[in-house]
Amino acid sequence: DAKTTQPPSMDCAEGRAANLPCNHSTISGNEYVYWYRQIHSQGPQYIIHGLKNNETNEMASLIITEDRKSSTLILPHATLRDTAVYYCIVSPDGSSNTGKLIFGQGTTLQVKP
Amino acid sequence: DTGVSQDPRHKITKRGQNVTFRCDPISEHNRLYWYRQTLGQGPEFLTYFQNEAQLEKSRLLSDRFSAERPKGSFSTLEIQRTEQGDSAMYLCASSLVQVAGGLFEKLFFGSGTQLSVL
Repeated sequence: DAKTTQPPSMDCAEGRAANLPCNHSTISGNEYVYWYRQIHSQGPQYIIHGLKNNETNEMASLIITEDRKSSTLILPHATLRDTAVYYCIVSPDGSSNTGKLIFGQGTTLQVKP
Repeated sequence: DTGVSQDPRHKITKRGQNVTFRCDPISEHNRLYWYRQTLGQGPEFLTYFQNEAQLEKSRLLSDRFSAERPKGSFSTLEIQRTEQGDSAMYLCASSLVQVAGGLFEKLFFGSGTQLSVL
C-alpha cells in the first residue's frame, strides 16, 4: 500500500501557483519524498525529490515540513500543459534492494484557462 | 536523449494467446522495472532487475508472467494464456544506481504498451 495521502483532485488557474499537498506521517529516516507526474497516455515523469531540506529545480519546488510528515509540491506558474496526475511517493534510498516506487492514486490537477 | 523505448505501443490479443513486450532502457542504466497500470489507478510494481538479476517480484506477478533481462540490457515481459483481467498499460522504467548508501533513485519511464485482451 502507498505510504502517502493526497487529495484526489485540484483545480488551478493558468498562471497561478499550484500547491499540491501530501501527507506521509509514517515516513522513515532513510526515505526520500519523490514527486512524479503522468500526463495522459504517457509514462510517469520525475519532477523532484527531497530528504529533509526544501528543494527547487526548473520544474517545481518541494517544501518538506520539519517533522517530515508532510510536503507540498509547488508549480510556481501553472500552464495548461501541467494538467496531469501528480504522485507523491516515499521510498528508501536507491542502495536498498527494495528500490521500487509504490504509487497511490495521486492528485489529478486540472489547470484551467 | 533516446529515453526508454517500449514496443509495441498497442497490442490487441485474444484470450488464451501469449504476448511478449520489449523494453529498451536508457543505455548504461543498471536497474529496470516493470509496472502495470489499469484505468484510474496508479502504476503497480511487478518486478525489477539489477543488471541481469531479477531481484524482486510482486505477488501480482502470477506464474503466467515471466520477465527476462539477458545480458543486462533490454528486457522482455511475457504473458502466457492471457486473460481479460490482464488488459492494462504495461510500463517499463530504468534507473542508474551507482553508489551504495544514501543515494536517491530517479526512474525514467517509457510510454508503455497498452494491452487489450478480447
